[in-house]
Amino acid sequence: DAGITQSPRHKVTETGTPVTLRCHQTENHRYMYWYRQDPGHGLRLIHYSYGVKDTDKGEVSDGYSVSRSKTEDFLLTLESATSSQTSVYFCAISGGTSIPNTQYFGPGTRLTVL
Amino acid sequence: AQTVTQSQPEMSVQEAETVTLSCTYDTSESDYYLFWYKQPPSRQMILVIRQEAYKQQNATENRFSVNFQKAAKSFSLKISDSQLGDAAMYFCAYRTSGSRLTFGEGTQLTVNP
Repeated sequence: DAGITQSPRHKVTETGTPVTLRCHQTENHRYMYWYRQDPGHGLRLIHYSYGVKDTDKGEVSDGYSVSRSKTEDFLLTLESATSSQTSVYFCAISGGTSIPNTQYFGPGTRLTVL
Repeated sequence: AQTVTQSQPEMSVQEAETVTLSCTYDTSESDYYLFWYKQPPSRQMILVIRQEAYKQQNATENRFSVNFQKAAKSFSLKISDSQLGDAAMYFCAYRTSGSRLTFGEGTQLTVNP
């Protein structure tokens, strides 16, 4: 399972409230990613990190921010959740001692915005 | 921008038979990686197989193998001796520069007993 956990695993929230999802890894991987999965779209990259405090935007970054203050944690924040952000969110990692150039995924977080 | 296309939204196969899932991609790069991931009902994304573009030999992992046609930009997955546990959504993915992954929309595979 590549030592990746996500919390919470499920969350229901209301429109306009802030939400933070956490990704935690235990194997010192340099790269961490946040994706969202929606029907008919596969997985799409939101943000990624290539080191502590080094982050960059993906293809669907509007409405999301991220932070990485230490190697093992990558946080995804929805400052003011909207119904369009109802989705399944996956964290992924790469680098470290795993197979090069390959991403491994966490179990996912199902977020529902009412 | 790179794109990945899986033209088969759904496929089915009889247990113990062989099935091939299709994937095509568009890129101007010469060095890249291709992947197949499996997503069972548990929702976990599981790496099935990977292929380096600079390698001419097709990757194999037990019952899973690929047919990589670089000139045609085609990357199909063959599952031999299909098992009930192979039933899942399968995603083809391309690794872009900067280590980003671009995914296809997926193929839902049903295995019939």
